Amino acid sequence: DGGITQSPKYLFRKEGQNVTLSCEQNLNHDAMYWYRQDPGQGLRLIYYSQIVNDFQKGDIAEGYSVSREKKESFPLTVTSAQKNPTAFYLCASWDRTNEKLFFGSGTQLSVL
Amino acid sequence: GESVGLHLPTLSVQEGDNSIINCAYSNSASDYFIWYKQESGKGPQFIIDIRSNMDKRQGQRVTVLLNKTVKHLSLQIAATQPGDSAVYFCAENPPPSNTGKLIFGQGTTLQVKP
Repeated sequence: DGGITQSPKYLFRKEGQNVTLSCEQNLNHDAMYWYRQDPGQGLRLIYYSQIVNDFQKGDIAEGYSVSREKKESFPLTVTSAQKNPTAFYLCASWDRTNEKLFFGSGTQLSVL
Repeated sequence: GESVGLHLPTLSVQEGDNSIINCAYSNSASDYFIWYKQESGKGPQFIIDIRSNMDKRQGQRVTVLLNKTVKHLSLQIAATQPGDSAVYFCAENPPPSNTGKLIFGQGTTLQVKP
């Protein structure tokens, strides 16, 4: 999974609770991404950040929030407004020099 | 064990046979295409890529074919092995280029029978 670390591997959320998924990269990439993957489905873009202190909504941003205070870190918060949060969450970073997207190993979020 | 034509969510092949996984992309202006392999519970891993000025590119046991006329991409795996069992995604890079904002296909699950 290259130099992208996602934690935890498994996460459980209680109803009404906000949870934060961690994503750290040591690849010195400017751009980072969060995707949601449901069983048997492709990857859907939640949020992305092209540079520190800037981020943009993806296709399914409702119920999620992000921050990008450091180049290495792009945490994703799944808020209580996200009514169907159970999914596999993938973080990625983009190598502009070689035009390649590197993924972390994912976090499986489930609702208790 | 080959499959050509429309996208199939699941492809089952015999070990040692060749596999063909198909993908239709959406944006005729996309200039770069990538195939990823995702094993269960893991993140996708890069397999092979191709630029729009090419129609074929070969790697080790894998070949990608690009048909821009019909916006179709295929991944051929030679002598399929049990370790090839995974979900395979195609991705396209639409303009503006080099943002990393790829568009992913739905994925095809490859099952290799011993």
